[in-house]
Amino acid sequence: QVRLAESGGGVVQPGRSLRLSCAASNFPLSNYDFQWVRQAPGKGLEWVALIRFDGVGKYYADSVKGRFTVSKDNSWSTVILHMSSLRAEDTAVYYCARVMGSHLEKSIYMDVWGKGTAVTVSS
Amino acid sequence: QSVLTQPPSVSAAPGQEVTISCSGSTSNIGNNYVSWYQQVPGTAPKVVIYNNFERPAGIPDRFSGSKSGPSASLGITGLQTGDEAVYYCGTWMSSYWLFGGGTKLTVL
Repeated sequence: QVRLAESGGGVVQPGRSLRLSCAASNFPLSNYDFQWVRQAPGKGLEWVALIRFDGVGKYYADSVKGRFTVSKDNSWSTVILHMSSLRAEDTAVYYCARVMGSHLEKSIYMDVWGKGTAVTVSS
Repeated sequence: QSVLTQPPSVSAAPGQEVTISCSGSTSNIGNNYVSWYQQVPGTAPKVVIYNNFERPAGIPDRFSGSKSGPSASLGITGLQTGDEAVYYCGTWMSSYWLFGGGTKLTVL
């Protein structure tokens, strides 16, 4: 069964860093793009970042650009979200999702989601 | 305030049908494919419609999607209590993703 599992969440002080991992099971990580999506308590979904299958193309939401970095470790079947200079407004459940479809046709969507990992930024 | 506008809530009785709208512009929905995600409280989102109207395997044909110009819609017929969830529309903008604000569906 295709599966994604996030880990690495927790409570962190403002200004500090945190590293989230997304482990893929039963499919080759190297063939797919991935996105990170977050959800603040009681709020809607917010897109965070996308990483292309080759690990080279990367896109970020303006709210995290310059502070968050997404990467892929194909040998370990893991997608990483490194978050630095964390702020209270980064408090959320962070989901990793596999991307399907065609960028050329602007028809991508997220077909597999992890259960999420919670990040709380508080002093 | 989301660029993609959805009604905050809709409701209907079991067995009835409901339509959830997602209103955008020619620069987003008008020129891109739309997908819809169902999020039951306390769980991760799940795709129910992609490429405007395609259903993933395992999604019943009670769920349908359509798009006309700058707007898209999700239709659900034969409502069941298990359909209670928040539904989000979304689209890829070549370098960033847009989500609608979400619509809470209550099955009375």
